[in-house]
Amino acid sequence: QVQLVQSGAEVKKPGTSVKVSCKASGFTFTTYGVTWVRQAPGQGLEWMGWISAYNGNNGNTNYAQKFQGRVTMTTDTSTTTAYMELRSLRSDDTAVYYCAREYYGGRVDYWGQGTLVTVSS
Amino acid sequence: DIQMTQSPSSLSASVGDRVTITCRASQGIRNDLGWYQQKPGKAPKRLIYAASSLQSGVPSRFSGSGSGTEFTLTISSLQPEDFATYYCLQHNSFPYTFGQGTKLEI
Repeated sequence: QVQLVQSGAEVKKPGTSVKVSCKASGFTFTTYGVTWVRQAPGQGLEWMGWISAYNGNNGNTNYAQKFQGRVTMTTDTSTTTAYMELRSLRSDDTAVYYCAREYYGGRVDYWGQGTLVTVSS
Repeated sequence: DIQMTQSPSSLSASVGDRVTITCRASQGIRNDLGWYQQKPGKAPKRLIYAASSLQSGVPSRFSGSGSGTEFTLTISSLQPEDFATYYCLQHNSFPYTFGQGTKLEI
């Protein structure tokens, strides 16, 4: 069955970076994309960006303007794992970060369980 | 960017009620829209894709409609497990955008 398993919770200090992983299984990783979404405490869902894991797409990405310059999304097709790195962390980056599978021009179906990132001095 | 305006932001209803949630897009998005249900502490779960197609395994009391700029999610007869928060997501163009969410309460 399709599974996306994310790395565990993190506590980070302001100004540092975090890298969240998303291990995919149960489907052909290189025929899909991965979307990243975050949710601050008590708030709604916020789209962060997308990366293609498609063969030959060389890891094409698209990031929300809000995160441009601070976020990098990558994939490792040998381990079927996607990564999201967010730099220069601030307290308002405290959120649950989700990865999700994307296909067919943006349809997002299966989600990871979420990773809580807490930014605190 | 395409703005998704979701209404209402909250809704009180009873078991057995029929409820409708609306998302309006700031520009036409064809049928590039999905609906998601989220329960506290859990990841979102897709209910509807392509505006009106029911996700496999989702009860048939859930339905979606619309195209262009106006979309609705309808729950025909609320069950206790349906009390949750619902979001729409447009994926017509980057950046993808969510509606603000609708919290469905007893």
